[in-house]
Amino acid sequence: GENVEQHPSTLSVQEGDSAVIKCTYSDSASNYFPWYKQELGKGPQLIIDIRSNVGEKKDQRIAVTLNKTAKHFSLHITETQPEDSAVYFCAASSRYSSASKIIFGSGTRLSIRP
Amino acid sequence: GAVVSQHPSRVICKSGTSVKIECRSLDFQATTMFWYRQFPKQSLMLMATSNEGSKATYEQGVEKDKFLINHASLTLSTLTVTSAHPEDSSFYICSARTYRVNTEAFFGQGTRLTVV
Repeated sequence: GENVEQHPSTLSVQEGDSAVIKCTYSDSASNYFPWYKQELGKGPQLIIDIRSNVGEKKDQRIAVTLNKTAKHFSLHITETQPEDSAVYFCAASSRYSSASKIIFGSGTRLSIRP
Repeated sequence: GAVVSQHPSRVICKSGTSVKIECRSLDFQATTMFWYRQFPKQSLMLMATSNEGSKATYEQGVEKDKFLINHASLTLSTLTVTSAHPEDSSFYICSARTYRVNTEAFFGQGTRLTVV
């Protein structure tokens, strides 16, 4: 089955700087890669996703890149702000049906230093 | 985005009792719902996948007789933790997807279960 690895487990950056989180996946059939932000005591919220037919996607300060050949994808947050502090999870899902499982990475705890 | 409502948000129960957690898709039909378990400072671990009108598919190591899942309609799935023990204390999260291929999964706000 799918296995998603995520690094780093913790990340501290100065406010205004950029943060990068990297993930790799194992199942070549995976073609949907969402990123979630989870705040304490809440469920994950989708912040951006990418499908395997594109290599990059951007939404304001957030961007995601995908390298299908290497089976890795990354989240980039620019101009970080205190409210960006949270746990971020990458995930992967294989194709073909809505029953495809979404498998999560281990998470990155991002802290923004004022 | 679509809304998935999970209830209750917190529950405390005594050892040996059963607890039911509801997951509702409020504005879309969820052909598939997923149940996750999350321990403190850890990732979400998939417990089971449920499709409307059929039996749930459990992940390896998850006891299906202990974690009963029912997906009786396109908008409601329930997880019942039977004969709960303190080690079942955890954060349980549901998510839902529509029938369309490769769509976004929407997550509930989670249920904090404490078994005393």
